Amino acid sequence: EPEVTQTPSHQVTQMGQEVILRCVPISNHLYFYWYRQILGQKVEFLVSFYNNEISEKSEIFDDQFSVERPDGSNFTLKIRSTKLEDSAMYFCASSESSGRVYFGAGTRLSVL
Amino acid sequence: EDQVTQSPEALRLQEGESSSLNCSYTVSGLRGLFWYRQDPGKGPEFLFTLYSAGEEKEKERLKATLTKKESFLHITAPKPEDSATYLCAVSGGTSYGKLTFGQGTILTVHP
Repeated sequence: EPEVTQTPSHQVTQMGQEVILRCVPISNHLYFYWYRQILGQKVEFLVSFYNNEISEKSEIFDDQFSVERPDGSNFTLKIRSTKLEDSAMYFCASSESSGRVYFGAGTRLSVL
Repeated sequence: EDQVTQSPEALRLQEGESSSLNCSYTVSGLRGLFWYRQDPGKGPEFLFTLYSAGEEKEKERLKATLTKKESFLHITAPKPEDSATYLCAVSGGTSYGKLTFGQGTILTVHP
């Protein structure tokens, strides 16, 4: 069973600091996503990425957020200046053109 | 705007007691309805994708069905290891991978 891999599993940061969350999508997938889940709330879409550019983003994904595929295997989410309300589980996901959307195990971000 | 509502919020069953979870949705041009299982502190684990009304899919003790307005996840003779949160999500329009999730149903199966 192919897997989406995320690192770190838990990230603790101070408010105002920059964080980078890392993901290795499934190797033959072309579509990449970030979602987040605040404790006790729904899983929410942040951004989708295809062909080296953002294809869609939600209202949550403001100028503090950015995504990058720096090489052929990694996909990153950067939060420029973290806020307390950014504390959440962040899930990376990937898919082929249709069918299953595979999720990683998540990175728990704690902003102090 | 796509919307997904799941019911009940929580469901407690005895081992072997079959039941169904409901997912009601509104979406502009359904591309897919997804069921996921989520264990505490973990990512959503894919179960099924349904594409059109009338479609059914099965996996072990789980069976998912789809109508134009809702989907059901039927659990037959559940076991304690089926305890988890079950998430329903839809994608619509031109946004295949942009999933709108429901709140989930927390299923607890007692031995």
